[in-house]
Amino acid sequence: EPEVTQTPSHQVTQMGQEVILRCVPISNHLYFYWYRQILGQKVEFLVSFYNNEISEKSEIFDDQFSVERPDGSNFTLKIRSTKLEDSAMYFCASERELRETQYFGPGTRLLVL
Amino acid sequence: RKEVEQDPGPFNVPEGATVAFNCTYSNSASQSFFWYRQDCRKEPKLLMSVYSSGNEDGRFTAQLNRASQYISLLIRDSKLSDSATYLCVVTQAGTALIFGKGTTLSVSS
Repeated sequence: EPEVTQTPSHQVTQMGQEVILRCVPISNHLYFYWYRQILGQKVEFLVSFYNNEISEKSEIFDDQFSVERPDGSNFTLKIRSTKLEDSAMYFCASERELRETQYFGPGTRLLVL
Repeated sequence: RKEVEQDPGPFNVPEGATVAFNCTYSNSASQSFFWYRQDCRKEPKLLMSVYSSGNEDGRFTAQLNRASQYISLLIRDSKLSDSATYLCVVTQAGTALIFGKGTTLSVSS
C-alpha cells in the first residue's frame, strides 16, 4: 500500500538555525499539507499546497516558514530561523482529490535547543 | 471558544466493553466530519468518515447531529488493540483538517 514518507524521523537543531523537513507524498496525489503537533497538544494545520502554490495557510505559518515542491516527488517545509517553540512533531499529508482522505506520514520530531 | 472539543479522558475499560466518545464543534458551517486514531507518538490515521445518516464499520459506529453540532463514536466489544487516542476532525470551507485534542482510550485485559 502506498505511503507518505518523511525524513528525517528526528532532528535536533540550535535556535536560530534553518531546518528543512522532507516529505514524499503518495505518487498520484495532488494536494499536500503540513501539520504540526506540539507534545501533548492537538494536531494543528500549517499549510496546504496544490499546483505548485500555497492554497491555504494558518496563522502559525508566518514568514519563517516556506514550502516547496522542488521536483516531482519531494515536498519540503523550511523553517528559516528556528525558535524554541518550533519544537514539535511535523506531519506531512497528501490527498488524491480535495476532500477525499488525507494520508499522513510518520512525522519528523523536531527539537530546538 | 475551541473549534472542536472532546473529553480528553482517559477512558479505562475492560476488554469487551462498549465505549462512547463525544465531540462538539463550534462552526455551524463545518462541512465534513471524521474520526482519526492516533497511537502514541505516531501519525493520525483515518478511522472513519461521519455522515449525517450515521454509519457503521464493524465494531465502530459514528453519528452526526448537525443541529446540535455533535459527533459521536461508539466502539463495541473493545479489544486491547483499540487502545489509542481518538481524534475528532472537521473541515470547514478550506482545505485544512481541524482537529480536536483527542480522547484517550485504554483497554485492559
